[in-house]
Amino acid sequence: GESVGLHLPTLSVQEGDNSIINCAYSNSASDYFIWYKQESGKGPQFIIDIRSNMDKRQGQRVTVLLNKTVKHLSLQIAATQPGDSAVYFCAENIGVGGGTSYGKLTFGQGTILTVHP
Amino acid sequence: DSGVTQTPKHLITATGQRVTLRCSPRSGDLSVYWYQQSLDQGLQFLIQYYNGEERAKGNILERFSAQQFPDLHSELNLSSLELGDSALYFCASSLGQGVSTEAFFGQGTRLTVV
Repeated sequence: GESVGLHLPTLSVQEGDNSIINCAYSNSASDYFIWYKQESGKGPQFIIDIRSNMDKRQGQRVTVLLNKTVKHLSLQIAATQPGDSAVYFCAENIGVGGGTSYGKLTFGQGTILTVHP
Repeated sequence: DSGVTQTPKHLITATGQRVTLRCSPRSGDLSVYWYQQSLDQGLQFLIQYYNGEERAKGNILERFSAQQFPDLHSELNLSSLELGDSALYFCASSLGQGVSTEAFFGQGTRLTVV
């Protein structure tokens, strides 16, 4: 039969604008979240992470917001640049307990960000 | 360059065959992770090894297996290949075994099953 690929959400912005990429996660037991950026032909690249005991974390030009009530995560990119064009993934992890969370991450489907000069 | 090396970059093989994908982690990293990225399933975690021992397992098929060797490189073996196994396979590595240690991804192996 015909293969149906994932239809990724897309976001187009002008250079210099702020971008907001959203992610709804699936498991209320998830306690750690990561945003990754994947450029064409490359592997995912870590951007920023946040634990469930926080609701906001800031990095260089990026901010992650976590709303556990509605299981929603967002990534804000300030002053978006053409080099930010990529697919952005959120990923969640459920803590194993005993203080160590191993590497099983569940990824969202991704959002395509296109930045126009 | 993430420092994670995957070989080969591209692989074309026939259904029913067996292939081995190889990953060399960044120097000093003890954890290796394998992921599959396909058009219809997205990015999926397969398995994690830490210092030679399996640490976490995802939806890895029984036809697939992996191991991490004493020199810390890892191999992912895919057998009885089906058309649906065509995908990008990524390896990542990190220093620690906890997911909060930043993992660095390789550039992937593109597997095409014909």
